[in-house]
Amino acid sequence: AQSVTQLGSHVSVSEGALVLLRCNYSSSVPPYLFWYVQYPNQGLQLLLKYTSAATLVKGINGFEAEFKKSETSFHLTKPSAHMSDAAEYFCAVSDRGNEKLTFGTGTRLTIIP
Amino acid sequence: EPEVTQTPSHQVTQMGQEVILRCVPISNHLYFYWYRQILGQKVEFLVSFYNNEISEKSEIFDDQFSVERPDGSNFTLKIRSTKLEDSAMYFCATRQALSGNTIYFGEGSWLTVV
Repeated sequence: AQSVTQLGSHVSVSEGALVLLRCNYSSSVPPYLFWYVQYPNQGLQLLLKYTSAATLVKGINGFEAEFKKSETSFHLTKPSAHMSDAAEYFCAVSDRGNEKLTFGTGTRLTIIP
Repeated sequence: EPEVTQTPSHQVTQMGQEVILRCVPISNHLYFYWYRQILGQKVEFLVSFYNNEISEKSEIFDDQFSVERPDGSNFTLKIRSTKLEDSAMYFCATRQALSGNTIYFGEGSWLTVV
């Protein structure tokens, strides 16, 4: 069975500061890993995904994530937070041969002006 | 950017009533999914659908739930007799092919059962 743990249900950072959202996964097979963002009253938008190519993955809006197998982690970062980054962020995992996504509980990111 | 379209965006229904949530997938996508998110909780997988049949379903997807693609375009989720605990945001998602492709989510249908 797969699972995802997101540390910190709420994270607050100042505008211009580094954003770091943590995600650890558990999977019995090499995983596919995803970060999705959910803005208020909107659906889930894919930020980036890891599918066994480069371990450092760049996504939209300046976000990136690094797959670290030894740490079973896929943390999301952005060098400089912007007010528009305020949203809920979900980490998700899937088996390569399995269709479904297993989501973490989400991290709500607040940007302090 | 291709879009998955869901209707209605919000529905309020009486307990025990039937509800149908509709989804228009991206045109060349072959794999379809329903997920749900109860307020304040994680997004949960309900069911996957391919080639006009269910390929996987979760424990949540009991006999009260059904899916179909009646006209080759819309993909629907039916809840036969709604319960209070069915109140949630329901997301449709679609994928072009199985391996390595992105799953695209719709904006969700918010169901409130009263």
